[in-house]
Amino acid sequence: KNEVEQSPQNLTAQEGEFITINCSYSVGISALHWLQQHPGGGIVSLFMLSSGKKKHGRLIATINIQEKHSSLHITASHPRDSAVYICAVRSKGAQKLVFGQGTRLTINP
Amino acid sequence: NAGVTQTPKFQVLKTGQSMTLQCAQDMNHNSMYWYRQDPGMGLRLIYYSASEGTTDKGEVPNGYNVSRLNKREFSLRLESAAPSQTSVYFCASSERLQTYGYTFGSGTRLTVV
Repeated sequence: KNEVEQSPQNLTAQEGEFITINCSYSVGISALHWLQQHPGGGIVSLFMLSSGKKKHGRLIATINIQEKHSSLHITASHPRDSAVYICAVRSKGAQKLVFGQGTRLTINP
Repeated sequence: NAGVTQTPKFQVLKTGQSMTLQCAQDMNHNSMYWYRQDPGMGLRLIYYSASEGTTDKGEVPNGYNVSRLNKREFSLRLESAAPSQTSVYFCASSERLQTYGYTFGSGTRLTVV
């Protein structure tokens, strides 16, 4: 079992829908990251969380440390949100991030 | 524009050939990383450099070497390329080890035939 599991692996939705991507992990962590990889391959950091909730524009990230679970929400989705969204965690005391396999999101107009 | 610059963007090698992937960042970041990304798998850390003058192995270091030439530059070398090293390689940097503010390069698509 991977240390970081994302669901769903693929998600297709219509423009305007509310999107939720989930990330579960199996180890104690010091931080969780959400990244966005565009179709051209570029990767952008979206959030780093250690507790609670963060919001940036239409993106909201939440984390529940007790349940070892994080969600990334997109409100009023748009075709330009189409990308692969990647969850990564840093275990307590570890020097490296462990990445999930990513969720491929497609938003149709 | 400030960021991480990787070269080359594409490369085809024959088995046994060597090459160096170059990475440079202009954000005065202390830490730099090399990852590989393969279909169906998450990004995997090859090597990292917490600060200038130090390098450490990551998850999948075999077949690779690195050099932190100075604070700006972190290169990845394949001494004898193998088909299993066909992948997309990403360089990244952060202000300190594993902190927020990761900036990734645009990637190098390497094919070994």
